[in-house]
Amino acid sequence: GENVEQHPSTLSVQEGDSAVIKCTYSDSASNYFPWYKQELGKGPQLIIDIRSNVGEKKDQRIAVTLNKTAKHFSLHITETQPEDSAVYFCAASHNTGGFKTIFGAGTRLFVKA
Amino acid sequence: DTGVSQDPRHKITKRGQNVTFRCDPISEHNRLYWYRQTLGQGPEFLTYFQNEAQLEKSRLLSDRFSAERPKGSFSTLEIQRTEQGDSAMYLCASSLYGVHEQYFGPGTRLTVT
Repeated sequence: GENVEQHPSTLSVQEGDSAVIKCTYSDSASNYFPWYKQELGKGPQLIIDIRSNVGEKKDQRIAVTLNKTAKHFSLHITETQPEDSAVYFCAASHNTGGFKTIFGAGTRLFVKA
Repeated sequence: DTGVSQDPRHKITKRGQNVTFRCDPISEHNRLYWYRQTLGQGPEFLTYFQNEAQLEKSRLLSDRFSAERPKGSFSTLEIQRTEQGDSAMYLCASSLYGVHEQYFGPGTRLTVT
């Protein structure tokens, strides 16, 4: 069935360093790849997304890359700050089935001041 | 606040009791999704509505679960005869028809004792 794998499960970086989270997906029909940030006690917040016709997208300190051939996509956070500490989820969906979204298991990011 | 809202935020119930959760989507969004999130995992799709029609249900949604969206606005998720395995965060998300981006509410945390 459809599956999204995410790693690492935990990532600890020093403030100012970069953080990279990687995901792979199984459904070749997937064409939309969002990333969500979830803070304690809150729902997931959409922070950036990428569509299958684009290889890379950047928004300030956050960038996402997509390799459709390898079914890999990644989140890059540069100049990390303590407020970036949270759980990050990658996900994949496609145009059929109501855009049902399959999530990875999450990466807990710790940014040490 | 015009985001997705959920009520209650927390619910503690005894095994065997019935519980009902409510979700109010972003007002112009005609798609509404329910997800379940257990500790240390990403959200798992349960069901979605387009207006008042429930168009897809996951195999995770046993016969004890029922969801409604009677007027195409708010939705309710009911769990009958709760079991300890039902303990989780229940998340609601909404989107516009034909658009991938889903916006999540804060979730209802259910604890079954």
